[in-house]
Amino acid sequence: GENVEQHPSTLSVQEGDSAVIKCTYSDSASNYFPWYKQELGKRPQLIIDIRSNVGEKKDQRIAVTLNKTAKHFSLHITETQPEDSAVYFCAASQFTSYGKLTFGQGTILTVHP
Amino acid sequence: NAGVMQNPRHLVRRRGQEARLRCSPMKGHSHVYWYRQLPEEGLKFMVYLQKENIIDESGMPKERFSAEFPKEGPSILRIQQVVRGDSAAYFCASSPPAGTYEQYFGPGTRLTVT
Repeated sequence: GENVEQHPSTLSVQEGDSAVIKCTYSDSASNYFPWYKQELGKRPQLIIDIRSNVGEKKDQRIAVTLNKTAKHFSLHITETQPEDSAVYFCAASQFTSYGKLTFGQGTILTVHP
Repeated sequence: NAGVMQNPRHLVRRRGQEARLRCSPMKGHSHVYWYRQLPEEGLKFMVYLQKENIIDESGMPKERFSAEFPKEGPSILRIQQVVRGDSAAYFCASSPPAGTYEQYFGPGTRLTVT
């Protein structure tokens, strides 16, 4: 089955800096890669996703890149703010008629004011 | 437009009791996924259901766990004879009819087994 590795496990940055979180996946058939943000005690929230026919996607301060050959994808957050502090999870799925997600272990991002 | 609803939000059970977790998908969504999150870990897929059908239960423990999504009413995740290792947050996610990639998560049920 699919295996997703996520790094780093913790990331501490100063407000205004950029943050990058990286994930690798094992199943070359995976074709959908979402990123979720989870604040303490809250639900995971979908913040951005990318499909395998696209190499990069951007939404304001957030961007995701995908390298299918190397089987890795990354989340980039620019101009970080304290409210970006949360746990971030990457995930992968082989979407056919449905797509169960395989999640990475999570990255605790702390943005210091 | 209500999001995915789960109840109860917190559930305490003694070892050997049964836990029933409920999930109401977003309006218009007919697909439900259940995931389990152990403390300080990522989410793990358990089961995928459509109305009245279990499509993929490859992540469900072989014993004590069952799930259903009846024609009317919420999806139910049932854990019989709970043990301490079942303590976790259980999330459901819903998605629109077939062909849509995105999954939207509910607030979760935090199960504590004492």
